Amino acid sequence: QTVVTQEPSFSVSPGGTVTLTCGLSSGSVSTPHYPSWYQQTPGQAPRTLIYSTNTRSSGVPDRFSGSILGNKAALIITGAQAEDESDYYCVLYLGSGIWMFGGGTKLTVL
Amino acid sequence: QLQLQESGPGLVKPSETLSLTCTVTGDSISSDSNFWAWIRQPPGKGLELLGTIFHTGVTYYNPSLKSRVTLSVDTSKNHFSLWLSYVTAADTAVYYCAGHQRAVGRAAGDNWFDPWGQGTLVTVSS
Repeated sequence: QTVVTQEPSFSVSPGGTVTLTCGLSSGSVSTPHYPSWYQQTPGQAPRTLIYSTNTRSSGVPDRFSGSILGNKAALIITGAQAEDESDYYCVLYLGSGIWMFGGGTKLTVL
Repeated sequence: QLQLQESGPGLVKPSETLSLTCTVTGDSISSDSNFWAWIRQPPGKGLELLGTIFHTGVTYYNPSLKSRVTLSVDTSKNHFSLWLSYVTAADTAVYYCAGHQRAVGRAAGDNWFDPWGQGTLVTVSS
C-alpha cells in the first residue's frame, strides 16, 4: 500500500528558511497529485495553507510557498517566525478517488 | 462565510455505531464546487481521511475503512453525516468535518480541505 511520507520533525531558526517535503513510498510526486498543505497547532483544527501544489489559501502569509522539488512536494517557509511552530500535514491525490494524508512534520522554531 | 460544525455523542460503546452530523452554514451543501469530508485524528497522532461525499450522493471512502464507513447528505437540512460501525478503542479520536473544495473547471482530484469544523472528540469505551 502506498504511503505518503513526511519528515517526522524539523527545526529552523527564527528568520531562517525551511523546506518540508511530502513524498511517496513508491514513485515520484508530480502535479497530478495536487499536493495541499495544512498547519495545525495543539488543540486546534488544521488550517489550509497551500493547495493545487502552489496556491496560497486566503489570508496565508506569503512567506509560505509550495512547489514540486525533485520527486517530492515541498512547503517552503521563508523567514520563519515563532508562530510558525506547528505540525504540518500534506495531502496527495492518489487517483481513483483516494486522497491520503502524510504522517505530519513537527516544526520547531528555535 | 462557509462554516461547519460537528455534532453527536462524545461517548460510544465498543461494537456500536458512531454517528456524527456536520451542519453547513454560509453556503448551500448543494454547491457544485464543494465535496464534503470527514477526517479524524487519534490522540497524539496524525490525520486520516475517512471519506468524502458530493451532494448528489457520490462517495469516496478510505479503502482501509470502507467496510465500516457510511456517509450521507441531507440537502433539505444542509448537513451531512458519518456512520462508523463496530467501533473499538482504536476509533477514539477527534473527528473533523471539512469542505473538500474543487474550483469549477478544475480536474478531478484537484481538491483541498477547507474550511474545517472545530472538531469533536469521540471516545469509545464501555
